[in-house]
Amino acid sequence: AQSVTQLGSHVSVSEGALVLLRCNYSSSVPPYLFWYVQYPNQGLQLLLKYTTGATLVKGINGFEAEFKKSETSFHLTKPSAHMSDAAEYFCAVSLSGGYNKLIFGAGTRLAVHP
Amino acid sequence: EAGVVQSPRYKIIEKKQPVAFWCNPISGHNTLYWYRQNLGQGPELLIRYENEEAVDDSQLPKDRFSAERLKGVDSTLKIQPAELGDSAVYLCASSLDLFSVGVYEQYFGPGTRLTVT
Repeated sequence: AQSVTQLGSHVSVSEGALVLLRCNYSSSVPPYLFWYVQYPNQGLQLLLKYTTGATLVKGINGFEAEFKKSETSFHLTKPSAHMSDAAEYFCAVSLSGGYNKLIFGAGTRLAVHP
Repeated sequence: EAGVVQSPRYKIIEKKQPVAFWCNPISGHNTLYWYRQNLGQGPELLIRYENEEAVDDSQLPKDRFSAERLKGVDSTLKIQPAELGDSAVYLCASSLDLFSVGVYEQYFGPGTRLTVT
């Protein structure tokens, strides 16, 4: 069965600093991997996804993530944090070859301070 | 283009009372999902519809939860009777799936925050 572990339920960075949100997954078959962002009182929005091909995936708002099979990781990064990046971020996995059933991690709340 | 619409946005009820949530997916989307998001956790799938057919309801507590998607458009999720542990945010999502397998972006609504007292 698949599972997702997000290390750190809360991450705090300074504006302009590097953002690194960690995600490790467990899957018996090649996974599809996703990062979603949730702003207060809003639904989840897809930031980026990895299915096949290039392991470095670029998403919206300057975020990117790298699929590392050997480390079973899909960490999310952004070179320079903005105040508007403060939100909750969810990593999710689904099975390749199956339908789009998403298994979510518990989420990481990102705080950005001046 | 309008997004996924959910109502109500907030609901407070006493335990043992019934409650219903409504979802209107993005126009043309054939697949609809209901998720439950407990405080401090990620969303968990309750039920998935392909058009009007429930194709995955394995996580739906069928003793008290029910759902329907008449005519393959709007959907209603009902809880009867509600328990304290049902307090959560209930999210609806939709996607346009060209095939039964594959990766298609799910678009989420803002959710309904349920508080059971």
